[in-house]
Amino acid sequence: SQQGEEDPQALSIQEGENATMNCSYKTSINNLQWYRQNSGRGLVHLILIRSNEREKHSGRLRVTLDTSKKSSSLLITASRAADTASYFCATDAKQGAQKLVFGQGTRLTINP
Amino acid sequence: ETGVTQSPTHLIKTRGQQVTLRCSSQSGHNTVSWYQQALGQGPQFIFQYYREEENGRGNFPPRFSGLQFPNYSSELNVNALELDDSALYLCASSNTGQGDLIEAFFGQGTRLTVV
Repeated sequence: SQQGEEDPQALSIQEGENATMNCSYKTSINNLQWYRQNSGRGLVHLILIRSNEREKHSGRLRVTLDTSKKSSSLLITASRAADTASYFCATDAKQGAQKLVFGQGTRLTINP
Repeated sequence: ETGVTQSPTHLIKTRGQQVTLRCSSQSGHNTVSWYQQALGQGPQFIFQYYREEENGRGNFPPRFSGLQFPNYSSELNVNALELDDSALYLCASSNTGQGDLIEAFFGQGTRLTVV
């Protein structure tokens, strides 16, 4: 079963604009990770944020985590056509098997 | 590139057949996890191997089995293939320590089609 849900399911913006994707999850976590997937290929690791962190930056990416609301957001600034992909958040629970639980993903389209 | 390699990249099998998928983990990583991703869905955890032993399993039947070798590479075997097994199979490599899952790095996947 999916742990979380990404919102929106699909997002289409113009090149240069910022893109924001949200992720909600259900159980307590150790970490939350964001991945990108191009056209059904492998997942590319973007960023990991630990449960005791609130915000993290990596280049044009900014991730926030609100453990009280069990939610995270991924912001991509100054979007480029190459950012067109599906984006997934993945959590690992504090208990149980060390597995990643993914949401359904957000399909992002950057229009030139 | 993540350093995680999977083979083959594409595979077509007939219902009822058996298939073996392979994964070489990233250097220095001791844990391999397998995921199934159906079209339009997020990846679903199949199982994980750590130090050559299964270390957790998702909601998949026993006809999904695996192995991890001393060099930390891994195989996923699926017996009695069904049409619904058609999916992208992803291998993830990570380094498990202190009970905390660190970043997992994925291979490019094997696209399995069952006809």
